[in-house]
Amino acid sequence: GENVEQHPSTLSVQEGDSAVIKCTYSDSASNYFPWYKQELGKGPQLIIDIRSNVGEKKDQRIAVTLNKTAKHFSLHITETQPEDSAVYFCAAGGSQGNLIFGKGTKLSVKP
Amino acid sequence: ETGVTQTPRHLVMGMTNKKSLKCEQHLGHNAMYWYKQSAKKPLELMFVYSLEERVENNSVPSRFSPECPNSSHLFLHLHTLQPEDSALYLCASTATPDVYGYTFGSGTRLTVV
Repeated sequence: GENVEQHPSTLSVQEGDSAVIKCTYSDSASNYFPWYKQELGKGPQLIIDIRSNVGEKKDQRIAVTLNKTAKHFSLHITETQPEDSAVYFCAAGGSQGNLIFGKGTKLSVKP
Repeated sequence: ETGVTQTPRHLVMGMTNKKSLKCEQHLGHNAMYWYKQSAKKPLELMFVYSLEERVENNSVPSRFSPECPNSSHLFLHLHTLQPEDSALYLCASTATPDVYGYTFGSGTRLTVV
């Protein structure tokens, strides 16, 4: 079935460094790729998304890149801050109209 | 608050109990979803409702019974659960049943003892 692989499962960086989380998807018909941030005790919140007709999208310190040929997409966070610490989920909009989620990456930003 | 409110936030229940989870959205959305979130696993879609009609049931055991009395409210009725059903249950809504614009609630942390 359709699936989304997400790596790494945990990531620890020093404040000010960059963080990169990568995902691959299996359904070539996927055309929508959102990223969600889940803080402790809260539900996932959409932070950025990209559609298949765009290769890169940026919003302040976060950016997402998409390689449709390789079926890869990545989240880049620059100048990380302690408040960026959370679990991040990627997802792919499947051909059946549902989102397929990755397993999540726990990001820790050390002050 | 995201506009999607879930109650209770925490629930401990025995395997013979019957309980219900509640979700309410104030966004004017027409589609609502139940997801199960277990540790180190992807979010699992359980049920999808569009305009109060169930449009998807992802092979969920019958001990989980959803109810959508109107487009703003969604319930998940629980009975004779198993310990492996312990998880965070998330409700979400979208304007239409599609992949765009998910708004999640904060979830109900369920523990089955």
